[in-house]
Amino acid sequence: EAQVTQNPRYLITVTGKKLTVTCSQNMNHEYMSWYRQDPGLGLRQIYYSMNVEVTDKGDVPEGYKVSRKEKRNFPLILESPSPNQTSLYFCASSVTPGLAFAYEQYFGPGTRLTVT
Amino acid sequence: DAKTTQPTSMDCAEGRAANLPCNHSTISGNEYVYWYRQIHSQGPQYIIHGLKNNETNEMASLIITEDRKSSTLILPHATLRDTAVYYCIVRALSNFGNEKLTFGTGTRLTIIP
Repeated sequence: EAQVTQNPRYLITVTGKKLTVTCSQNMNHEYMSWYRQDPGLGLRQIYYSMNVEVTDKGDVPEGYKVSRKEKRNFPLILESPSPNQTSLYFCASSVTPGLAFAYEQYFGPGTRLTVT
Repeated sequence: DAKTTQPTSMDCAEGRAANLPCNHSTISGNEYVYWYRQIHSQGPQYIIHGLKNNETNEMASLIITEDRKSSTLILPHATLRDTAVYYCIVRALSNFGNEKLTFGTGTRLTIIP
């Protein structure tokens, strides 16, 4: 089954304690992306990756890091989490950008993070 | 990406067709209309997309007006599981760029038993 998985699904942590949220897709997609969703602000893109070792900032990258060492994985790293990073996080993936046809993006189930 | 306008909320009786409108009067010739939905705090789910012609898949139908300035998503036989926020997104092919989706406020569809 084609899917994007995220772990953990729920996490409560304290300020400053480094954490990683994993994202994995089994569709051999080149493009992957992270969003956060907050009430009243909708989904905002954090980082994206066009392919292995190719990453770039989205709209709200401050306080986050990513890496893309393998095509299937795109972890989101919070090196020193703060309460304003409490949010619902989604990973997404899709086929090669720029193809001459439109396509869908697949989203993971979400990770609810609380930083106290 | 062109701006879209959707009603804030809608109700539909279970078993009836749900028709969700979207206005995109500034759409460009190379921009597609996409529909996604988000069931309470789950990941957004792709429904359908189209450019000019009407489209149908196992989930829904998409009707795009001839001038392409508006469209309607039709869920033919709504069930309680279709209760969700529905997002209409207009965007062009990225030309090897960022595939960011810009989600607006969407329409909160409630299916009434």
